[in-house]
Amino acid sequence: DTGVSQDPRHKITKRGQNVTFRCDPISEHNRLYWYRQTLGQGPEFLTYFQNEAQLEKSRLLSDRFSAERPKGSFSTLEIQRTEQGDSAMYLCASSLGWDTEQYFGPGTRLTVT
Amino acid sequence: ELKVEQNPLFLSMQEGKNYTIYCNYSTTSDRLYWYRQDPGKSLESLFVLLSNGAVKQEGRLMASLDTKARLSTLHITAAVHDLSATYFCAVEARMNYGGATNKLIFGTGTLLAVQP
Repeated sequence: DTGVSQDPRHKITKRGQNVTFRCDPISEHNRLYWYRQTLGQGPEFLTYFQNEAQLEKSRLLSDRFSAERPKGSFSTLEIQRTEQGDSAMYLCASSLGWDTEQYFGPGTRLTVT
Repeated sequence: ELKVEQNPLFLSMQEGKNYTIYCNYSTTSDRLYWYRQDPGKSLESLFVLLSNGAVKQEGRLMASLDTKARLSTLHITAAVHDLSATYFCAVEARMNYGGATNKLIFGTGTLLAVQP
């Protein structure tokens, strides 16, 4: 049983560029979550998918952010026109049911220069 | 809105000593988690506490939950250098869309540095 995987693990980009991250959940996990963690802080919830439906979005998810899960399996998180404040670790998690533990991936560390 | 507070934020301790990290949360929740995070790494699940009075132990770490006081503790016994990391507690909170699935609300973390 492989865990949650994320790609890339590190991304350095210049301000104003677009970036896209991918998350592959544990197989058969129909629930998928994105969190963001800035330096020295705990992770903060960004968005939630149940199968392919995006059911919840945090106020942290500005118009420059978009997330998809087209076939209910992997998910992508895109940030357009990146800003230095977007520098953070982006964590993906998945769970099997509504009442089960979330399992976290290794994260994608984004640095915006 | 559910808030989670941890203290202390930073803890420097000597090997062999005991100490406790505290996690307070503001509203009722069904479940509380403790995670460990090493620098630049993701979250490692340590404990899941499901009910009032729950106590779990793994090695030198012991976690407990008091739902009436909305308080969880992570006790470290005879600390060793390998325990140096940041420790987070997280509490489940209902999402706004009306379904049963929960999101996690994290505390700010406690940076533990165990000195030899």
